[in-house]
Amino acid sequence: AQKITQTQPGMFVQEKEAVTLDCTYDTSDPSYGLFWYKQPSSGEMIFLIYQGSYDQQNATEGRYSLNFQKARKSANLVISASQLGDSAMYFCAMREGRWAGNQFYFGTGTSLTVIP
Amino acid sequence: DAGVTQSPTHLIKTRGQHVTLRCSPISGHKSVSWYQQVLGQGPQFIFQYYEKEERGRGNFPDRFSARQFPNYSSELNVNALLLGDSALYLCASHSWGSSETQYFGPGTRLLVL
Repeated sequence: AQKITQTQPGMFVQEKEAVTLDCTYDTSDPSYGLFWYKQPSSGEMIFLIYQGSYDQQNATEGRYSLNFQKARKSANLVISASQLGDSAMYFCAMREGRWAGNQFYFGTGTSLTVIP
Repeated sequence: DAGVTQSPTHLIKTRGQHVTLRCSPISGHKSVSWYQQVLGQGPQFIFQYYEKEERGRGNFPDRFSARQFPNYSSELNVNALLLGDSALYLCASHSWGSSETQYFGPGTRLLVL
């Protein structure tokens, strides 16, 4: 089974609107971390937001928030007030266990296009 | 502070050749991981190194090898290149023993002809 599933290959959003990118995960480890990265066409993976499995509250970082629904095993990324510079690939990733060094499992990504 | 750096940025090789990719982690990070990202896919884990020792290995053939140096920089080596090795190779550094994320470099784009 896939560890991370992103079912939206491509998404479009109007500038200044909010958009939700979907991510579901699969693990039996009670301790895990969920991450979202942005990958512009240059290739670099830019860290956006992190949610730990034991965190009680949803993570927020500026315009990014993570809608964490543990029972449904989903970790959707919400981008508020979209900007043209948000156009990029977005990857959801999971790390099983507590340590940063454990391998990351990535989804196949969602291509976001922000329309002026 | 400088982020993760990788060299070269682009590389073209032919089948059967060997390639060496280099990575310097963020200052203070002692652990490095390597990922392969084929076009249209998410990154796939290749190796992790900490304190010069291999601590994790993904499902890649023995043609792939890596090492870490005393200054924590790392090299990824690929022998007998195949067309399917064409990909973006990403290096990530992280603090060992914490719950921090991994921070990625800009990657090396390898094209095998």
